[in-house]
Formats: sequence, structure tokens, C-alpha cells
Amino acid sequence: QVQLVESGGGVVQPGRSLRLSCAASGFTFSNYGIHWVRQAPGKGLQWVAVSWTDGSTRYYADSVKGRFIVSRDNSKNTLYLQMDLLRADDTAVYYCARVGGNFLAFDFWGQGTLVTVSS
Amino acid sequence: DIQVTQSPSSLSASVGDRVTITCRASQSISTFLNWYHQEPGKAPKLLIYSASTLQSGVPSRFSGTGSGTDFTLTISGLQPEDFGTYYCQQSSTTLWTFGQGTKVEVK
Repeated sequence: QVQLVESGGGVVQPGRSLRLSCAASGFTFSNYGIHWVRQAPGKGLQWVAVSWTDGSTRYYADSVKGRFIVSRDNSKNTLYLQMDLLRADDTAVYYCARVGGNFLAFDFWGQGTLVTVSS
Repeated sequence: DIQVTQSPSSLSASVGDRVTITCRASQSISTFLNWYHQEPGKAPKLLIYSASTLQSGVPSRFSGTGSGTDFTLTISGLQPEDFGTYYCQQSSTTLWTFGQGTKVEVK
């Protein structure tokens, strides 16, 4: 069965860095675009970034562009999110989500990992 | 970026009620509009994609309509497991965006 498992969250000070991972199983990882979506405590969903199949096509929300980098290792079935210059407003649960094979929507989600930016 | 605006932001309803949530895009997105349901503490779940196609396994009481800038999610006969927050999301451009959410609460 399709599984996405995020890891790497934790408490980090403002201005520091953190790297999240999303380990995939149950499908051919290299055939799917995978996105990061975040949700601040008590708030709505915010799209963050995407890495399409070969990893060279990547896009970012304006709020993280220049600070976050999304990458993937298709040999390890893993997506990453390198987060630099973290700010308090980056505090959120970060989900990775798979794009459906034949449609542009998120058909599977991970359980999320919490990132807290605080001094 | 394309903005998507949901209304209402919250509503109260009873089991068995018909519930309608709307989503409006800031420019035409054809039918690149999806709907999700999220329960507290859980990841969102896809209900409808491409404006009107029911995701596999989703009950037929859920339906979606619309194209261009105006979209609607309808729940025909609200069930206890349907309470929670609903989000629309556009996938028309390279940068995807979500609506702000509609919280459906028990009346």
C-alpha cells in the first residue's frame, strides 16, 4: 500500500536550519510528483513546494523561496526539504503529499512532522 | 499567484442536512479545482478532483460542480463522520494554492 512517512521535525531556533525527509513506499516513486504542504497550529493548509518526477523541475511558494530547497533521491525513494533561515512563522506541521497519477490533486498524504521555530 | 476564496468560513449543520460550500478563484482555472476533508489531528483526505470527479472510495453523497472561477462542493445528507474542515485547492498553475477552509460543526 502507498505510504509516505515524514521525519526530521523538531524545535529549532530562529535563523537556524532543519532538513525534513519524506520516505515513500508502495509505489514507483520516480513516476510521481511530490509536494510539501504545511499547516500552522490552528490554521489552514499552505502549499510550500513541489519536486516533479526527475527532480529538476521544482517550484516554491513566495513565502519560502530563497530559504527552502526541495530535492529528491529517486534511488532512495525519498523527498527532502532543506529549510534555512527559519522564522517563527515557519512553525507548522509539514506534510508530504503525492500527486495523483492521472490528475493534478493530492491522492496520498503522510502523517506530518512538526517543526517549531522558537528561541 | 491565483487566490482561492472559500465561503462560508464556518457553518453549523445537523446529521442529514444538505451542505453547500463554495470556492471562488481570482482568475479562471478551468476545472483544476480539488476538494479535501480534514479531521482534527489528521492529514487531509481527497474527496473530489478536477472539480467534479469523485475520488475512489468516497461516498456518493459528495459532489462537486463548477468551472472557470466558481465552484461548489455539496454534501447530500451530512453524516457524523463528515464534520471537520473542508478545503478547496487549485492546481491550474505551477504554484498551487488552498482556500482558507470551511469548518463544518454540529448544530
